[in-house]
Amino acid sequence: DIQMTQSPSSLSASVGDRVTITCRASPSIRSYLNWYQQKPGKAPKLLIYGASTLQSGVPSRFSGSGSGTDFTLTISSLQPEDFATYYCQQSYTTPFTFGPGTKVDFK
Amino acid sequence: QVQLQESGPGLVKPSQTLSLTCTVSGGSISSGSYYWSWIRQPAGKGLEWIGRIYTSGSTTYNPSLKSRVTISLDTSKNQFSLKLSSVTAADTAVYYCARASPMSLRSGELSYFDYWGQGTLVTVSS
Repeated sequence: DIQMTQSPSSLSASVGDRVTITCRASPSIRSYLNWYQQKPGKAPKLLIYGASTLQSGVPSRFSGSGSGTDFTLTISSLQPEDFATYYCQQSYTTPFTFGPGTKVDFK
Repeated sequence: QVQLQESGPGLVKPSQTLSLTCTVSGGSISSGSYYWSWIRQPAGKGLEWIGRIYTSGSTTYNPSLKSRVTISLDTSKNQFSLKLSSVTAADTAVYYCARASPMSLRSGELSYFDYWGQGTLVTVSS
């Protein structure tokens, strides 16, 4: 199986902060990388697919980059509704695998 | 707007079979080229992909669960289902159904989970 790791596992930030989350795949997954946001008690919500394509309806403050083994999700200016857990997921090959998540909470 | 809704028992006894159904509304499960998946999440933990069924009925399962999993399609009811046999406490989790949309790339096919059910908690306990 392709192993996905994320860093940090959690971070504390304030409204307006720029936040960057890193996801690493082993081995390479080209650009077959998706990002999801999950709030407590809710299903994950797709933010970005194909490493950098913003899902329809997702605010432009979210952006993704990377290819191969290293990827980043950036929130340019953190908003109150962005406090959540973020997961990366590879769709390069089955079984699809998710990163362990990064929890973003209030500083 | 596509919507997915899981249903099934919230409590299953050890060694028995967990059965869940996902009802799709807002679109036909047999039209288009989509993968219909099951994903689970133990309390406080990460997400695990269980498997998927394509519109054609072909299936792919996570090898870690393959010997115990069956996913099937019922186009007449616009539903797909999950059966997981010989369950143990380790199978206690919130189970999600999700639609995966494929996108052709030069190098292959990317897919992403764009619609999810709200999730249903299944507890394995005697």
